Amino acid sequence: QSALTQPRSVSGSPGQSVTISCTGTSSDVGTYNYVSWYQQHPGKAPKLMIYDVSERPSGVPDRFSGSKSGNTASLTISGLQADDEADYYCCSYAGSYTHVVFGGGTKVTVL
Amino acid sequence: QLQLQESGPGLLKPSETLSLVCTVSGGSISSTYYWGWIRQPPGKGLEWIGSVSYYGNTYYNPSLMSRVTISIDMSTNQYSLRLTSVTAADTAVYYCAPDTGYIRRIDYWGQGTLVTVSS
Repeated sequence: QSALTQPRSVSGSPGQSVTISCTGTSSDVGTYNYVSWYQQHPGKAPKLMIYDVSERPSGVPDRFSGSKSGNTASLTISGLQADDEADYYCCSYAGSYTHVVFGGGTKVTVL
Repeated sequence: QLQLQESGPGLLKPSETLSLVCTVSGGSISSTYYWGWIRQPPGKGLEWIGSVSYYGNTYYNPSLMSRVTISIDMSTNQYSLRLTSVTAADTAVYYCAPDTGYIRRIDYWGQGTLVTVSS
């Protein structure tokens, strides 16, 4: 059981938007603005898509956006494309004892 | 741009010690990264194992703390992971994954190395 809760799967048609939620607690997501999101294609290492809740690294399309409200962070993918089909993981700093928590991952399917 | 390469045995027996090395190129290991390890059991999600700072402070997942040691070697530009008393539950792809502090961002990942624990 992962510390952060994500839906197992979400799906959408090309061009649509999907949103993935990531629910934590006041000990992690709710307190720290150090939430990141990673995309992972099968057999590949994860790739950073969002950091610090809503910041995009250079090279990541602006179709990817992040936000946070209370103990829940969200990743939205707009204008869904075939290559967006992958697993997505959220991650949060969780203080000086636990340090780091990940979500269980969400499979995005492009219909 | 950092490049990271994991190396170490791919097959262990239960109760043995897992030892992996991450070789860093394209940058110095004495830079201000937290040199971390993350693992992923087959078909499952990511799990943070721990990290070591460039000045030698270590940070571990509480659930693994009793079995984990992460260390850094400035002379070889490498850092390493040691996990004792392995079981089948430690079977996973192990990634070296440095972050910028507070796990804010991991821009660079090793390709990952599969370690299987089986009798």
